[in-house]
This record gives sequence, C-alpha cells and structure tokens, in this order.
Amino acid sequence: QVQLQESGPGLVKPSETLSLTCTVSGGSISSYYWSWIRQPPGKGLEWIGFIHYSGSTNYNPSLKSRVTISLDTSKNQFSLKVSSVIAADTAVYYCAREEVAIDSSWFDPWGQGTLVTVSS
Amino acid sequence: DIQMTQSPSSLSASVGDRVTITCRASQSISINLNWYQQKPGKVPELLIYAASSLQSGVPSRFSGSGSGTDFTLTISSLQPEDFATYYCQQSYSTPRTFGQGTKLKI
Repeated sequence: QVQLQESGPGLVKPSETLSLTCTVSGGSISSYYWSWIRQPPGKGLEWIGFIHYSGSTNYNPSLKSRVTISLDTSKNQFSLKVSSVIAADTAVYYCAREEVAIDSSWFDPWGQGTLVTVSS
Repeated sequence: DIQMTQSPSSLSASVGDRVTITCRASQSISINLNWYQQKPGKVPELLIYAASSLQSGVPSRFSGSGSGTDFTLTISSLQPEDFATYYCQQSYSTPRTFGQGTKLKI
C-alpha cells in the first residue's frame, strides 16, 4: 500500500523560501501524477500543482510565479518550493498522488500533512 | 478556473437521517468530480470518484450522482462517525479546484 509522508521546516520567515519533501513508500514514484495541496487553518483546500513522473509540471496560476515542484526518482521523493512567502502562506501542506483513469482522476492517497507557519 | 460551489455550507442533522449535499461546477465537467471527507485535524479521505464510484472500503451508505455541472453526495443513514466536513473537487481541468466545503453537524 502506497504511503506518503511530508517533511520540512515548520516555521519559515517572511520573504524566505518554504521547502517541503514528500517521501513515497510502498510503491514507485515512477508513475502517476504527484500533487501538493494546502489548507490554511480553518479554511478550505487549495491545489498548488503537480508533477508527472516524466518531469512535466502544472501549477496553479494563483501561485505559479513562486512555486517549483521537482522529482527525485532515485529517492522516491518529490519536493515543493514556495518563494517569497507571506503570512497567507501559513497552512497545512499535503502531498497526494493523483490517480488517473480513462475518464477521470482523483487524489488518493494523501500524506498526513505538515503545518508550515510563516512568521518572523 | 472552474469554480465549484457547494450547498449548503453547513448542515445540522441527526443520526439516522438521510442527507444530501450538492456541488455545482461553473462549467460542464462531465463526470470528473470527486468527494472527500475530512474530520477535524485529519487528512481528507476519498469517498467517491468519477462522480458515482465508491472508493474501496467506504461504507455503502455513501453514494454520488450527477454529471455535467450538477452533482450530489448522499448519505442514506447518518452514523456518528459521518459528522465531518465534505469537499467536492473537479479533475476536468487544471487548476484542480475544490468546493468550499460542507460542514455536517450534529
């Protein structure tokens, strides 16, 4: 059974870069689409972007200028960087696999999530 | 971007009730609609994918229907563990977008 686990600093200063890694276990990262999703405290879910195992990426336009998602197949990991963070970037960050079928796709499984707080 | 609008935003119900949550897309998304359940402090969990397919392990009291722009999630007989927040999500195009959530309260 595939499991995902986020890791990275829980506190980032304003204007700095948020960096998180998602480690995939129980299966290979060399397939599927791999996404980052975030949830500000008490609010809803926002898709940040995904990376395909081929290396192609797609980002939410609301964050596109500040986001980079990358893949390390040798470590079965993918990573997120958000630059120039502000307080509004404070959120629980989830990594998730996007399973793709002929006529649809969905997020499953998800990592446990990691809270990142932007504060000086 | 495709906007997803859920109604109601919150809902009070009792154990045993039949409950329906609606999700409307701002344009046609065929059956590219998923439902997730999130309990406080927990990870969202997939309930329904492709509008009406029940995820493995999810109780059969959950069902989904719809296509195009209008979708529903129905819980046939509420159980205590069903009180949570429910989100719809479209996978028709990027950016992937979620509804604002429906909080189901006792």
